[in-house]
Amino acid sequence: AQSVAQPEDQVNVAEGNPLTVKCTYSVSGNPYLFWYVQYPNRGLQFLLKYITGDNLVKGSYGFEAEFNKSQTSFHLKKPSALVSDSALYFCAVRPPPDSNYQLIWGAGTKLIIKP
Amino acid sequence: NAGVTQTPKFQVLKTGQSMTLQCAQDMNHEYMSWYRQDPGMGLRLIHYSVGAGITDQGEVPNGYNVSRSTTEDFPLRLLSAAPSQTSVYFCASSPGQFGGYTFGSGTRLTVV
Repeated sequence: AQSVAQPEDQVNVAEGNPLTVKCTYSVSGNPYLFWYVQYPNRGLQFLLKYITGDNLVKGSYGFEAEFNKSQTSFHLKKPSALVSDSALYFCAVRPPPDSNYQLIWGAGTKLIIKP
Repeated sequence: NAGVTQTPKFQVLKTGQSMTLQCAQDMNHEYMSWYRQDPGMGLRLIHYSVGAGITDQGEVPNGYNVSRSTTEDFPLRLLSAAPSQTSVYFCASSPGQFGGYTFGSGTRLTVV
């Protein structure tokens, strides 16, 4: 079965330190990969996506993600964390063939940035 | 630039009541979907639509109906509310296969 795993329920990082939120997937073919962020009591916001091309993708709010095909991973990164980055982060994968635009979602990782 | 608009933001229903959650987008997106979000369970797809007149079931469709008579609107109907339907509901739209989703701000539904 196709799946997306976010192995950490919660990640704690000190402000100013680099952060990584992990995502691995089990999908055949060449999927499209996405990261979304959810702030408290808000809807999800699109951060970035990988469709094809350069393995390092840059997105909103200084975030970037690295696609690794051999490890089937798409980890979210930021060089210097801000307290305002504290939120719930979701990884999602769109497996081919893309006939209905559906996404397979990870369970989410709560990111806590401590001042 | 409204994006995806969901109404109402909050709703309390009694068991057995019916209601419609409204979702409208002004981006001319083909794809629209409804999710529910429950603690510890992430997002679960209820129903989706790839265009006006076309709808299909997602992972958890029981107890819900949808229709897509226009590109803009995708209402979700709860036929006979049950406490198990207490959740936060999100509507999302996408322009197509390369696009990310745009989410509404959610409807927090409590069934008592």
